[in-house]
Amino acid sequence: GDSVTQMEGPVTLSEEAFLTINCTYTATGYPSLFWYVQYPGEGLQLLLKATKADDKGSNKGFEATYRKETTSFHLEKGSVQVSDSAVYFCALSDLTGRRALTFGSGTRLQVQP
Amino acid sequence: EAQVTQNPRYLITVTGKKLTVTCSQNMNHEYMSWYRQDPGLGLRQIYYSMNVEVTDKGDVPEGYKVSRKEKRNFPLILESPSPNQTSLYFCASRSFGGGQGNTEAFFGEGSRITVV
Repeated sequence: GDSVTQMEGPVTLSEEAFLTINCTYTATGYPSLFWYVQYPGEGLQLLLKATKADDKGSNKGFEATYRKETTSFHLEKGSVQVSDSAVYFCALSDLTGRRALTFGSGTRLQVQP
Repeated sequence: EAQVTQNPRYLITVTGKKLTVTCSQNMNHEYMSWYRQDPGLGLRQIYYSMNVEVTDKGDVPEGYKVSRKEKRNFPLILESPSPNQTSLYFCASRSFGGGQGNTEAFFGEGSRITVV
């Protein structure tokens, strides 16, 4: 079945550092790929998405490119802020009738001033 | 404002005492689902619903029931809760969009359920 693998956390960075959170997936066909963010005490919010190979999703300075050849969707940001501290989830949407989101285990990011 | 509302947000209950977690969305979405979030496991789908009166099992349905009598509501029922159902539960809704599975899912704020 479909699966998503994310790098283990927590990731601790200083403000203005470069961020990469790795995400790889296993799926049949061409799923849509997502990054969701969960701030403390809140539900998940969509951060960005990509729906086909070589698409780049971007939002709030975050970017991720859908790489079919490496089955990856790594999240990057050039300069993190304290307010980016959260848990980040990579997910894919299956294309069968169930239309479920399959999530990775999440990566906690802590940004220190 | 687009919203998915869950209740209760926090609950401590005892083994075997039936409980219902309510979920309501105001976006007229066809698709609704329940997930549980456990440390190191991410979110796993419990049940989903494609539309009114259409529900089906997700990845971890054991011990849960759902119903979809109205489009906006999708309650999760724990008939006889056990400690292994202690978890953070999220309700989510999506539109079907173009049918390609690329629409945004909107999540509630979560319900932390502890079964002792």
